Amino acid sequence: AQSVSQHNHHVILSEAASLELGCNYSYGGTVNLFWYVQYPGQHLQLLLKYFSGDPLVKGIKGFEAEFIKSKFSFNLRKPSVQWSDTAEYFCAVNVRGKLIFGQGTELSVKP
Amino acid sequence: NAGVTQTPKFQVLKTGQSMTLQCAQDMNHNSMYWYRQDPGMGLRLIYYSASEGTTDKGEVPNGYNVSRLNKREFSLRLESAAPSQTSVYFCASRTSPGNSGNTIYFGEGSWLTVV
Repeated sequence: AQSVSQHNHHVILSEAASLELGCNYSYGGTVNLFWYVQYPGQHLQLLLKYFSGDPLVKGIKGFEAEFIKSKFSFNLRKPSVQWSDTAEYFCAVNVRGKLIFGQGTELSVKP
Repeated sequence: NAGVTQTPKFQVLKTGQSMTLQCAQDMNHNSMYWYRQDPGMGLRLIYYSASEGTTDKGEVPNGYNVSRLNKREFSLRLESAAPSQTSVYFCASRTSPGNSGNTIYFGEGSWLTVV
């Protein structure tokens, strides 16, 4: 069965630290990849998405992600996090119309 | 432009009670979804509807039923609520099924507690 794995359950960083959240998926065909963010008490919002083309995609709020097909990975990065980035982050893969999510990574940024 | 609207936002049920979560989208999307979100489990697909008149089971369909009433509306019903169904439920929609990569849009979530 297709699955999405996010390696880190909870990440704690200080402001201005760099962020990388891992995401791996198990599906051999063509995929579309997404990162969603959920701020405390709010609903899910799209951060960025990869459909095709340049494997380095840029999203909102300074986030970017790199699709590495050979590694089945789509890691999320941000050079310098802010306190307002405290949220839960979900990686997702679109497989034949169904969106399969990872377990989520909770990011806590200390001021 | 409301997007995806879910009701109710909060609900407390007693074990064995039934209820329906309503979802409507105004973006003329073909596909609609119901997910539940539990700590450490991520979002899990309960049911989805690729188009009006069709519904399919997702990862965790047991204890739920759905109705795709028309193109706009997709409801989720708990016939006999159980404490294990305490969760946050998200409705979502997108333009078409298949591997087209269309963005999925989420409602704001419904917090359900079963006591």
